[in-house]
Amino acid sequence: NAGVTQTPKFRVLKTGQSMTLLCAQDMNHEYMYWYRQDPGMGLRLIHYSVGEGTTAKGEVPDGYNVSRLKKQNFLLGLESAAPSQTSVYFCASQNQGPISNQPQHFGDGTRLSIL
Amino acid sequence: DAKTTQPNSMESNEEEPVHLPCNHSTISGTDYIHWYRQLPSQGPEYVIHGLTSNVNNRMASLAIAEDRKSSTLILHRATLRDAAVYYCILSVFMEYGNKLVFGAGTILRVKS
Repeated sequence: NAGVTQTPKFRVLKTGQSMTLLCAQDMNHEYMYWYRQDPGMGLRLIHYSVGEGTTAKGEVPDGYNVSRLKKQNFLLGLESAAPSQTSVYFCASQNQGPISNQPQHFGDGTRLSIL
Repeated sequence: DAKTTQPNSMESNEEEPVHLPCNHSTISGTDYIHWYRQLPSQGPEYVIHGLTSNVNNRMASLAIAEDRKSSTLILHRATLRDAAVYYCILSVFMEYGNKLVFGAGTILRVKS
């Protein structure tokens, strides 16, 4: 059981380039989340999705777009990368359940550097 | 936004119990208290969560104060594999799903 898989694991971009980070989960979870983690800090929510075809903004959405065309996949896009977006990006999935009661399952992250 | 306060770091000896404290004085009635841990170069791993009552699972115990403004994660016998950053998190209800509000966490070091 793979759980939550993120690709790629590492990437270096130049300022202004675009790229897409892929998150795939095989647990049939309804909810999926994208977070970023900067050095020495906790994770911050970028965008999330409560089901196929739906997305919503989190705490720090500027500069990012997302899509959830299939239930098992959640894509995070950077249209024009900026050095401030250098970070480690984590995807998580969650089973739909009682309010605030379900743990989130995280992937191992994508380390993104923007020069 | 909902916020937690934890010690920056703690140290424990192997095979001894560890008590990791957390303050969350601004917690609201519907916020669950979650604990996750993160090993180097890995994503956060769920440990335990609760609302009002103390909770036990195979990994740890969670003791929640009666006024819910603080909680303590208890690792009964620390091992070297328990060395990680431990996050005390308030799981805040959104219209759908829940947002995990992370703080900076506590770095736990385990000595052999």
